[in-house]
Amino acid sequence: GAGVSQSPSNKVTEKGKDVELRCDPISGHTALYWYRQSLGQGLEFLIYFQGNSAPDKSGLPSDRFSAERTGGSVSTLTIQRTQQEDSAVYLCASRVGTDHNEQFFGPGTRLTVL
Amino acid sequence: SQQGEEDPQALSIQEGENATMNCSYKTSINNLQWYRQNSGRGLVHLILIRSNEREKHSGRLRVTLDTSKKSSSLLITASRAADTASYFCATATGNTPLVFGKGTRLSVIA
Repeated sequence: GAGVSQSPSNKVTEKGKDVELRCDPISGHTALYWYRQSLGQGLEFLIYFQGNSAPDKSGLPSDRFSAERTGGSVSTLTIQRTQQEDSAVYLCASRVGTDHNEQFFGPGTRLTVL
Repeated sequence: SQQGEEDPQALSIQEGENATMNCSYKTSINNLQWYRQNSGRGLVHLILIRSNEREKHSGRLRVTLDTSKKSSSLLITASRAADTASYFCATATGNTPLVFGKGTRLSVIA
């Protein structure tokens, strides 16, 4: 079966531009997470969607970051007015159920802000 | 803030040797999970151990959990070159999302 997919795989943009990153979770997975990983670092939690509940946005680093999940499936992470420090790999993960158990990760989007 | 802290940060061993990585955390947890990451992209779930478990095995992997010391270890036996990757522990606490450590970079030399 299909896993979690993300697009684009790589994105190069200029400082100040807006970018949209897409995540297609595994069908039927009710929970979806976005993480950010800077070079050589661990994963930094950004935002979490669970079913129809209000998302947990506690990890978003600034109001330039936002995310939405349409129809309980596809999610888009938007970064407005990108800065060089936004350069990182953005990872999406999904899982079934409500417990924080095994997460299935996508391959990530490598964002480079020039 | 970082919950899990892996130790060592980097580990280099010969093929066939065992690799041991440790993870320490700060608060009570529901479960602890280990993930592997190749080439800085998507993570793959390896094993989950619940707070009421002390040891778990999966193939060449052995995970222990000591809740009194708030620590876990991941042992990979008879390592292979293909085990070369970064290994992360992640803790689940209450209803908060998983918190990942910074990882251990394992190099297995053929």
